[in-house]
Amino acid sequence: QKEVEQNSGPLSVPEGAIASLNCTYSDRGSQSFFWYRQYSGKSPELIMFIYSNGDKEDGRFTAQLNKASQYVSLLIRDSQPSDSATYLCAVNEDSGTYKYIFGTGTRLKVLA
Amino acid sequence: SAVISQKPSRDICQRGTSLTIQCQVDSQVTMMFWYRQQPGQSLTLIATANQGSEATYESGFVIDKFPISRPNLTFSTLTVSNMSPEDSSIYLCSVVKGYTEAFFGQGTRLTVV
Repeated sequence: QKEVEQNSGPLSVPEGAIASLNCTYSDRGSQSFFWYRQYSGKSPELIMFIYSNGDKEDGRFTAQLNKASQYVSLLIRDSQPSDSATYLCAVNEDSGTYKYIFGTGTRLKVLA
Repeated sequence: SAVISQKPSRDICQRGTSLTIQCQVDSQVTMMFWYRQQPGQSLTLIATANQGSEATYESGFVIDKFPISRPNLTFSTLTVSNMSPEDSSIYLCSVVKGYTEAFFGQGTRLTVV
């Protein structure tokens, strides 16, 4: 059973701080990794994807991937109250089918 | 990215009836999927919508309950048949465009009474 695990939270951080969200996955063959943000009552929105080991930065967001440890993380710098949402980690199945396995999500609260 | 229009956005249905959800994309996409998200939970893949052929269903989902059509590269429908309160959920259309990045429609919030 292929799995993606996240801490459900809530993770509370003060405004302006760095929020660190973590995700582990079970399938060593996975090649593509994604972070989605989902506001309450809305659909998931893609915010970052990463394919190679190391860091990838986009604005206030940094995705980090360590395939040896089967670990992917998302850092949000200068957190804002508008970042309060559930963050879903998704991993592409190693089957060439473009299917994703989603984690259960981490709820982030940024306190003003 | 892709512009995805999903209809209806919400509906309240009587048990035993069926609801068809439509997903229209603004351009051709590689893959189309249907997901279900139950309250407070993550996304569960129902099936892959295959253009011009039968959908590929995940374990626990069957064609009689969730018939899917995809007549062309930009449009798909999901029908939830013979509904029961357990089918109350959010149903999401997803498309893959480009390499592997997936995008989601706005979702359909279904309540079965």
